[in-house]
Amino acid sequence: KAGVTQTPRYLIKTRGQQVTLSCSPISGHRSVSWYQQTPGQGLQFLFEYFSETQRNKGNFPGRFSGRQFSNSRSEMNVSTLELGDSALYLCASSLGSTGANEQFFGPGTRLTVL
Amino acid sequence: GENVEQHPSTLSVQEGDSAVIKCTYSDSASNYFPWYKQELGKGPQLIIDIRSNVGEKKDQRIAVTLNKTAKHFSLHITETQPEDSAVYFCAASHGSSNTGKLIFGQGTTLQVKP
Repeated sequence: KAGVTQTPRYLIKTRGQQVTLSCSPISGHRSVSWYQQTPGQGLQFLFEYFSETQRNKGNFPGRFSGRQFSNSRSEMNVSTLELGDSALYLCASSLGSTGANEQFFGPGTRLTVL
Repeated sequence: GENVEQHPSTLSVQEGDSAVIKCTYSDSASNYFPWYKQELGKGPQLIIDIRSNVGEKKDQRIAVTLNKTAKHFSLHITETQPEDSAVYFCAASHGSSNTGKLIFGQGTTLQVKP
């Protein structure tokens, strides 16, 4: 079974721009969660999608948004980029029927904001 | 609010020794506790998890223990090898609810010296 894939792997943007990151979950998984990883704040939960619906959201500003498609693939968007948005963005997929399902992470997208 | 404290932040051991990493969680409703290993340039890899109805779980050289009364759980790695060197994260979630949101500890950098 293929693992979680994320594209692109690396991105360089400038302040004020917007960016869209993509995540393809493991086949059969219906839940996709997004996390931001930085050296200072560690791994922080952004949001979770299950069956195309956002079912939980972390404490991030509205510039961070996401969506999930009918094939369970998910995208996240960050608008009006700030320097502090530079981070590794990780997505994780799970079967999603309950919160105790194992979550498997992709390799991440490294975003650098200049 | 929800919080997971992880200690130590760095751990250096000789090859063949044991390593122990400890985590404490704040939300008594948490009942799913995964551990992840993250190598440089990769996403976190699930190595073992435990649910609240179990006190201990083993998988070869790795074991996890859970004390729900004290709200802490630990990762034990025996007979450490250089390839165990990585950053380890503990996490907690409401396993019984309709969300996969994970709250992560700050991570432990494990160095195994040959």
